[in-house]
Amino acid sequence: GNSVTQMEGPVTLSEEAFLTINCTYTATGYPSLFWYVQYPGEGLQLLLKATKADDKGSNKGFEATYRKETTSFHLEKGSVQVSDSAVYFCALSGTGANSKLTFGKGITLSVRP
Amino acid sequence: KAGVTQTPRYLIKTRGQQVTLSCSPISGHRSVSWYQQTPGQGLQFLFEYFSETQRNKGNFPGRFSGRQFSNSRSEMNVSTLELGDSALYLCASNLLAGEVDTQYFGPGTRLTVL
Repeated sequence: GNSVTQMEGPVTLSEEAFLTINCTYTATGYPSLFWYVQYPGEGLQLLLKATKADDKGSNKGFEATYRKETTSFHLEKGSVQVSDSAVYFCALSGTGANSKLTFGKGITLSVRP
Repeated sequence: KAGVTQTPRYLIKTRGQQVTLSCSPISGHRSVSWYQQTPGQGLQFLFEYFSETQRNKGNFPGRFSGRQFSNSRSEMNVSTLELGDSALYLCASNLLAGEVDTQYFGPGTRLTVL
């Protein structure tokens, strides 16, 4: 079945540092890939997505590229801010009737001023 | 547009009771999915409804059930509550964009079972 593996956390960075959060997946067919973010006490917010190989999703300075050859969708940001502190989830979905999301375990990011 | 709304936001129940959670999707969205989030198991898919029909179901016992109404609002029910059912229950509203489902989440209902 489908699965998503995220790097172990938590991650603590200083403000303006470079961020990379690794995500790899196992799936049949051609899944769509997503990054969601969860702030304390809230639900999940869609951060970015990519629907086919070599697509790059981007939003709020975050980027991730759908790499089919390495089955990866790593999240990057050039300069993190304190407000980026949250839990980040990588997820994939199939298409049509198999559109449920399969999530990674999530990683907590803390950014220090 | 208003986002996904879930009610209530917090619930406290005791073992053996049952509970009903409600979700109103984004206007115009016809598909609703439910997920359970716990520290131990992470985010797990419960079920998905589209046009009042269950389209997908996760690996949960029959105590977990759901339904969808003609206005796309959805409810999930958990009967005979167990301590392990304590979790954040998230509802997601599905926007069907071609072959890609993009799911937008509500704030969740925090259920505590004592």
